[in-house]
Amino acid sequence: ILNVEQSPQSLHVQEGDSTNFTCSFPSSNFYALHWYRWETAKSPEALFVMTLNGDEKKKGRISATLNTKEGYSYLYIKGSQPEDSATYLCACTTSGTYKYIFGTGTRLKVLA
Amino acid sequence: GAVVSQHPSWVICKSGTSVKIECRSLDFQATTMFWYRQFPKQSLMLMATSNEGSKATYEQGVEKDKFLINHASLTLSTLTVTSAHPEDSSFYICSASRAGDQDEQFFGPGTRLTVL
Repeated sequence: ILNVEQSPQSLHVQEGDSTNFTCSFPSSNFYALHWYRWETAKSPEALFVMTLNGDEKKKGRISATLNTKEGYSYLYIKGSQPEDSATYLCACTTSGTYKYIFGTGTRLKVLA
Repeated sequence: GAVVSQHPSWVICKSGTSVKIECRSLDFQATTMFWYRQFPKQSLMLMATSNEGSKATYEQGVEKDKFLINHASLTLSTLTVTSAHPEDSSFYICSASRAGDQDEQFFGPGTRLTVL
């Protein structure tokens, strides 16, 4: 059974701080890693899809890196804003299947 | 683009009744739809995968006779929880993928089911 883990479970940061969290996944048969941003009562919003080892993607103040050999991805938020408050989910897919295996998410609260 | 809606957003029902949840792709054709549920403090767990016009494929441990899935059109899939019990209380969320790009899933906002 594929196990995807995210840490920390939750964190509070001050507005303007930079922060990062981790998604760990089994590296065998890896195909893709997805990051989503999920605000309460809304649909999870896709942030990044990453497939290549060493890949780094950026969207505004948010960026992500991928290490498929050791099985982890980092999500970074630079200069956090209150509107960044959300749960950040990662999901992994393996070769030969389109099934997402999700982590439990990291709940971020940015304090003004 | 790629908007998915779900209805209802929350529902409370009595034990023994059936509840239907709808998942619609609003601006694209969804050849594949996925149903997940999430219990408190746990991750989203895939329940079943459905392709338009075909029977759904259920994950291990998910009762197909209890969770009826219909994907009769390219924009609508329904999940019916039959004879619901309190242990079925959960957050149910659907996602949809487009033809030729099954690796990218677009999610609905979810449905909170409470069974009394």
